[in-house]
Amino acid sequence: EIVLTQSPATLSLSPGERATLSCRASQSVSSYLAWYQQKPGQAPRLLIYDASNRATGIPARFSGSGSGTDFTLTISSLEPEDFAVYYCQQRSNWPPAWTFGQGTKVEIK
Amino acid sequence: EVQLVQSGAEVKKPGATVKISCKVSGYTFTDYYMHWVQQAPGKGLEWMGLVDPEDGETIYAEKFQGRVTITADTSTDTAYMELSSLRSEDTAVYYCATEGGSSHNPYYFDYWGQGTLVTVSS
Repeated sequence: EIVLTQSPATLSLSPGERATLSCRASQSVSSYLAWYQQKPGQAPRLLIYDASNRATGIPARFSGSGSGTDFTLTISSLEPEDFAVYYCQQRSNWPPAWTFGQGTKVEIK
Repeated sequence: EVQLVQSGAEVKKPGATVKISCKVSGYTFTDYYMHWVQQAPGKGLEWMGLVDPEDGETIYAEKFQGRVTITADTSTDTAYMELSSLRSEDTAVYYCATEGGSSHNPYYFDYWGQGTLVTVSS
């Protein structure tokens, strides 16, 4: 089973700063990786799919990059509403399973 | 507009069984897998399994195999997740989730239900 490891666990930044979140896979997932944002009391929201494609309605300040085992989610300039927890996610072919990273919390410094 | 509407919060005793529903609208229910995801308080997301509403085929995560049953009722466009032999560690919010959005890929979860809190307590 593929394991996703996110770093850092917590990122303390101020509004307007750039956020860089990392997700590392235990083996190659090609470009089949997604990023989600979750705010307290809400369901997760799909931000990025296929490593670098923004989902419908996602602002351009969110971007994703990477392939193989190393992926990055970048928020170019943090808005107040961006402080949340972010998860990466992939699907393994065998055994078939969908897995998430443990999450990175982006908090206000 | 795609909507996944889940049933309300549940309180169960250890050893009991809980069954949660997820009613969909805004798309053809049989077009996409329906997944269930567990989130314990203050913890991350854990995939539990899926059902293919087209034929009822299921895939379960190893952790939940033997305790979880996921089904789909195409007459009401509703998916169900049943978890048995409940223990305190099963206290969590459970989400249904599906594809069918901009990702056009069954690997990802474009749409989510609002979540159902299950509390297991004696």
